[in-house]
Amino acid sequence: DAGVIQSPRHEVTEMGQEVTLRCKPISGHNSLFWYRQTMMRGLELLIYFNNNVPIDDSGMPEDRFSAKMPNASFSTLKIQPSEPRDSAVYFCASSSGPTDINEQYFGPGTRLTVT
Amino acid sequence: RKEVEQDPGPFNVPEGATVAFNCTYSNSASQSFFWYRQDCRKEPKLLMSVYSSGNEDGRFTAQLNRASQYISLLIRDSKLSDSATYLCVVKNYNQGGKLIFGQGTELSVKP
Repeated sequence: DAGVIQSPRHEVTEMGQEVTLRCKPISGHNSLFWYRQTMMRGLELLIYFNNNVPIDDSGMPEDRFSAKMPNASFSTLKIQPSEPRDSAVYFCASSSGPTDINEQYFGPGTRLTVT
Repeated sequence: RKEVEQDPGPFNVPEGATVAFNCTYSNSASQSFFWYRQDCRKEPKLLMSVYSSGNEDGRFTAQLNRASQYISLLIRDSKLSDSATYLCVVKNYNQGGKLIFGQGTELSVKP
């Protein structure tokens, strides 16, 4: 199994540009999570999907952030326009369900730098 | 106040030492508890779940005290490869079952 796949692994962009992060969950998993990690705030849940439907987006910082999951094997997190304070590592994770017995498997992350 | 609080460390210990990490959580409705491990510049990975009766996995022992809202992780006979950040995690079903991560405790095991 390839695990959770994220792309790109690194992204450097200028303030004001649109950034799109991509995630392919583990095949058969029906829950997908987007996290952001910074030194200051640690690991924070941005949004999660169950069966492709957004369940909780209360962690999305503001309207500049949006996430979609058009099918069970693909999700995107978009930032438009990007700002320097968005610089962080963005992780995607998937699990076979939202209950406590379902371990979340994290992807390798996308390291975003906004200059 | 953060919902899950940990001592950030770093904990610098020699090989073979026993080290303990503590974690407190503020939501009494929290129902599931975990320790994740994160290596430098890598993704978090589940180390172990934490059960009410306490549980052990080799050199690792996790304990939960619901009355005090306190979780611990004990590592015995520490190895160089144990160097990582250890994340305390709670799951709250009254928040849709999402995971809440502590800031992490950094461990550095020296030869």
